[in-house]
Amino acid sequence: ETGVTQSPTHLIKTRGQQVTLRCSSQSGHNTVSWYQQALGQGPQFIFQYYREEENGRGNFPPRFSGLQFPNYSSELNVNALELDDSALYLCASSFGGVYSRANVLTFGAGSRLTVL
Amino acid sequence: QKEVEQNSGPLSVPEGAIASLNCTYSDRGSQSFFWYRQYSGKSPELIMFIYSNGDKEDGRFTAQLNKASQYVSLLIRDSQPSDSATYLCAVKGDSNYQLIWGAGTKLIIKP
Repeated sequence: ETGVTQSPTHLIKTRGQQVTLRCSSQSGHNTVSWYQQALGQGPQFIFQYYREEENGRGNFPPRFSGLQFPNYSSELNVNALELDDSALYLCASSFGGVYSRANVLTFGAGSRLTVL
Repeated sequence: QKEVEQNSGPLSVPEGAIASLNCTYSDRGSQSFFWYRQYSGKSPELIMFIYSNGDKEDGRFTAQLNKASQYVSLLIRDSQPSDSATYLCAVKGDSNYQLIWGAGTKLIIKP
């Protein structure tokens, strides 16, 4: 059973640029959630994808967008990067979407983004 | 705005003692509660979850839930240096897709 894998692990961008982060979900999981974790803070929910559709979104602007593919892998895209976007971006997979009682998430190792 | 509050610590506990971590939440309607452990530079990993009032035990870990007082706690018995990490409390909100997280409590187990 493979776990959740994310790429890249680290990246540095400059303000105004765009970035794409990738995530492969754990085998058997069909739901992917993305979280942003600033240093010293808990994760903040960005959005969740289930059956290739966004089925929930946190308080993030539209320049944060995503995709889920038929194999349940996912991408997070961030346009017009700002300094405050510097954070650890976590992908988490789970089984079950809207009707799942338990949000038992399996996290990937994260992608650390630095915006200069 | 639903909130989850944790003492940021650090909480220092001698090896072999009981570590007690606490979390309070603002939404009285919350149903599911989770404890995650996060080592420095790593991603969170699930320790346990609890839905019902009372205690739930798993090995050295015990989660305690008191919905009337809106708090959930995690006890770690026979603390080991390897337990040193940040412990994150998370609460499921109204929807099934979102967890609301506390900022975490840093736990240090001293040999």
